[in-house]
Amino acid sequence: GGIITQTPKFLIGQEGQKLTLKCQQNFNHDTMYWYRQDSGKGLRLIYYSITENDLQKGDLSEGYDASREKKSSFSLTVTSAQKNEMAVFLCASSIGSTLNYAEQFFGPGTRLTVL
Amino acid sequence: QQKVQQSPESLSVPEGGMASLNCTSSDRNFQYFWWYRQHSGEGPKALMSIFSDGDKKEGRFTAHLNKASLHVSLHIRDSQPSDSALYFCAASPTNAYKVIFGKGTHLHVLP
Repeated sequence: GGIITQTPKFLIGQEGQKLTLKCQQNFNHDTMYWYRQDSGKGLRLIYYSITENDLQKGDLSEGYDASREKKSSFSLTVTSAQKNEMAVFLCASSIGSTLNYAEQFFGPGTRLTVL
Repeated sequence: QQKVQQSPESLSVPEGGMASLNCTSSDRNFQYFWWYRQHSGEGPKALMSIFSDGDKKEGRFTAHLNKASLHVSLHIRDSQPSDSALYFCAASPTNAYKVIFGKGTHLHVLP
């Protein structure tokens, strides 16, 4: 088995601040994802990376940057935090390759609060 | 329009009862379905997948898929308080890495 680690667990920022969230996986999976979870809105895809050095925008990429530093790690940057923003950011990975409908494995999430 | 719609938003069942959750896709390209479960404070975890028409049973959980109507359901028999969670339906098209999640159904199993 493997595990996905997200840091930090809780993140408190100020309006306009640039904030970075980190994700590590030891599944040796090719594909990694960043989702945003808001109450009542399900999971919305921000960025995904099919393989190392690849980066694809999801439906909610505006206001975010992402970086796939190596196969095991995927970072997300909030470029300018919005006041009163509260959300959970979830990182996931899957085996990728031709199994594009493979199971996704999720981390525990980073809870963001912007003051 | 949300491409994956779930109903109901919230569902309460007594312990030992049957819980039925529904999901419909509005895009005929979405042919592969997953059910995920998220307990409070945790990330979602996959429960089961269903890719073919008909029923798929895993323990107390049965998924049913009707590709013609793009409708998938999840039935939980003998519901337990530990089944109380947020359940997501997720749909994936062919030849794409994007997975679309529904908004979720909150299931409450009452002791």
